[in-house]
Amino acid sequence: AQSVTQLGSHVSVSEGALVLLRCNYSSSVPPYLFWYVQYPNQGLQLLLKYTSAATLVKGINGFEAEFKKSETSFHLTKPSAHMSDAAEYFCAVSVASGNTPLVFGKGTRLSVIA
Amino acid sequence: EAQVTQNPRYLITVTGKKLTVTCSQNMNHEYMSWYRQDPGLGLRQIYYSMNVEVTDKGDVPEGYKVSRKEKRNFPLILESPSPNQTSLYFCASRAIQGNSPLHFGNGTRLTVT
Repeated sequence: AQSVTQLGSHVSVSEGALVLLRCNYSSSVPPYLFWYVQYPNQGLQLLLKYTSAATLVKGINGFEAEFKKSETSFHLTKPSAHMSDAAEYFCAVSVASGNTPLVFGKGTRLSVIA
Repeated sequence: EAQVTQNPRYLITVTGKKLTVTCSQNMNHEYMSWYRQDPGLGLRQIYYSMNVEVTDKGDVPEGYKVSRKEKRNFPLILESPSPNQTSLYFCASRAIQGNSPLHFGNGTRLTVT
């Protein structure tokens, strides 16, 4: 079975600073990995996904994530935080079979300080 | 516009009064799912459906029912709501391939008093 661990339930950064949100996964077969963002009072939106093509994946709003098989990680980064990035971020894992639901991490709340 | 539509957005009810939260998608997705979101617990899956007339329990199915009579609709039914079902609920859908992302509705905030 797959699992996801997001390190840090709350991360706070200054505006303009690097954003790093950590995600480690466990999967016995090659995974598909996703990052979602949830703004207040909204549903989850897809930021980016890894599907075994390139290991460095670029998403919307300047975010990117790198798949590192040796570290079983899929950390989300953004070079320069903006106030509008304040939200909750979820990492999720799936596998090739569509019969397996996505498994979500518990989420990381990102605060951006002016 | 491709979307998942949930209704209502907000619902306040009393213990024991049956309710239904509707969910509809217009993307012809085979897979649909219900989640509840609670502070500190993240997203927990309630039920999911791989296709019409096929439903399976997720991590927290107790107290909930679902049905999938049509491909586009996946209603969540609480036969006898209790206060511990106060939560934010999300419906989601995706194509059957494992690399397909989930598309989420905007959520239903349910309060049971």
